[in-house]
Amino acid sequence: AQKITQTQPGMFVQEKEAVTLDCTYDTSDQSYGLFWYKQPSSGEMIFLIYQGSYDEQNATEGRYSLNFQKARKSANLVISASQLGDSAMYFCAMREPSQGAQKLVFGQGTRLTINP
Amino acid sequence: GAGVSQTPSNKVTEKGKYVELRCDPISGHTALYWYRQSLGQGPEFLIYFQGTGAADDSGLPNDRFFAVRPEGSVSTLKIQRTERGDSAVYLCASSAGRTGELFFGEGSRLTVL
Repeated sequence: AQKITQTQPGMFVQEKEAVTLDCTYDTSDQSYGLFWYKQPSSGEMIFLIYQGSYDEQNATEGRYSLNFQKARKSANLVISASQLGDSAMYFCAMREPSQGAQKLVFGQGTRLTINP
Repeated sequence: GAGVSQTPSNKVTEKGKYVELRCDPISGHTALYWYRQSLGQGPEFLIYFQGTGAADDSGLPNDRFFAVRPEGSVSTLKIQRTERGDSAVYLCASSAGRTGELFFGEGSRLTVL
């Protein structure tokens, strides 16, 4: 079974609109961490936001917020007021202590394209 | 530099050849990771170093792959008898601790002809 599922291979959004990138996960751990990374065409993975499974508040970092719904095992990334520079691949990832806390398991990614 | 540095950025080799990929982590970061990213996929974990030792090498696909970090800083990923299926981007990341935020390099793109 996939640990991280990103169901949107590609998304096209108009500049300045908000966009939600979907992520669902599968784990039996009670304590785990969820991450979103951005990968522009340069190839570098850029950390965006982190949500711990016991965090009561949804994580926010500037224009990024994480819509964490624990019961549904979903951790969607919301980007507000999208910009042309947001065009990139976006990966959701999970860290599970039972599988080795040092490992991140990544989804297949969503390619986001922002249109002017 | 301030970030994770990987060399070469691109490597083209022939099937059966030996390849080394180098990673220079952020200064002071004790944890170092190698991931492999095939086309259209997310990165997959290969190996994790804490200091000089490989604490977890469970992601290495077979014994043709080996990695070292002799002085606890720079790491080299070594691939013997390369196969076409080894073609991928090899990403290196470092962190200040085992559960800290990972900082990635831009990767080494390996193409095996």
